[in-house]
Amino acid sequence: GAGVSQSPRYKVAKRGQDVALRCDPISGHVSLFWYQQALGQGPEFLTYFQNEAQLDKSGLPSDRFFAERPEGSVSTLKIQRTQKEDSAVYLCASSRTGFSPDYGYTFGSGTRLTVV
Amino acid sequence: AQTVTQSQPEMSVQEAETVTLSCTYDTSESNYYLFWYKQPPSRQMILVIRQEAYKQQNATENRFSVNFQKAAKSFSLKISDSQLGDTAMYFCAFMKNSGYALNFGKGTSLLVTP
Repeated sequence: GAGVSQSPRYKVAKRGQDVALRCDPISGHVSLFWYQQALGQGPEFLTYFQNEAQLDKSGLPSDRFFAERPEGSVSTLKIQRTQKEDSAVYLCASSRTGFSPDYGYTFGSGTRLTVV
Repeated sequence: AQTVTQSQPEMSVQEAETVTLSCTYDTSESNYYLFWYKQPPSRQMILVIRQEAYKQQNATENRFSVNFQKAAKSFSLKISDSQLGDTAMYFCAFMKNSGYALNFGKGTSLLVTP
C-alpha cells in the first residue's frame, strides 16, 4: 500500500482482556518496528523485525507483550491480560532496508489502546 | 544509554514569525543521527529534518533548519515563516550510527496562531 496501515485505530479493552493490534507495512519494506507512546511522552522502542525474524525485542515491557511477523509482511502486536498501564498509542513503522537512517522510516497513525 | 531532552513542553508563535525549538542529548557515541519529527493530531510521525553528526554543515529543508552544536550536544530546530499547518507536537530523536531504534524526547507542543 501507499503507507503504513494500522488497525484498529482505537481499542478499548477491559482489564485482563487480550488484545491484538495489526500493522500493514509498505509493500516490500524489510524492516518493521513497534513503538509505545504513553500520554504526554515520546514514543519508546518495543521491537524490531527484519523480514520475519524478530531481531530485537528488548523494549517489550513484560512477557505479556508478544509480536510476530510470520510471513515478513503484516505484523501483529499482542498484549495478554491487559493492565491499565498498557494504555498508550502503539505506533508501527517500516523501512525499505535494515539500518535506515539514510532512508528513514514511515510511521503509521497508530492504535490508541485504552484499558478500563 | 542515550537520553534526549526537550525542555520546552509548549511553545506558541504567530503566523509568519520564526520559532526555535530546543533539544539536547547525551551520548558517548562519536557518530550518530539526529532527527526532528512532527506529530499532528492524526498521530502519524512525519520526518521533518535529519542531521548526521559527522557533517558539520547544518541541515536545511525549506522553512526548517537546524543548529547542530556537537560539542554542546545541542540540536535545535528553527521554523521560519510559521504556518498554521505547523501546529503539532515536535519530537527530537537520536539514533546510533549502527543502530535502528530511535530514542525520542518528550516533545514540544507548538501552536501557530493567526
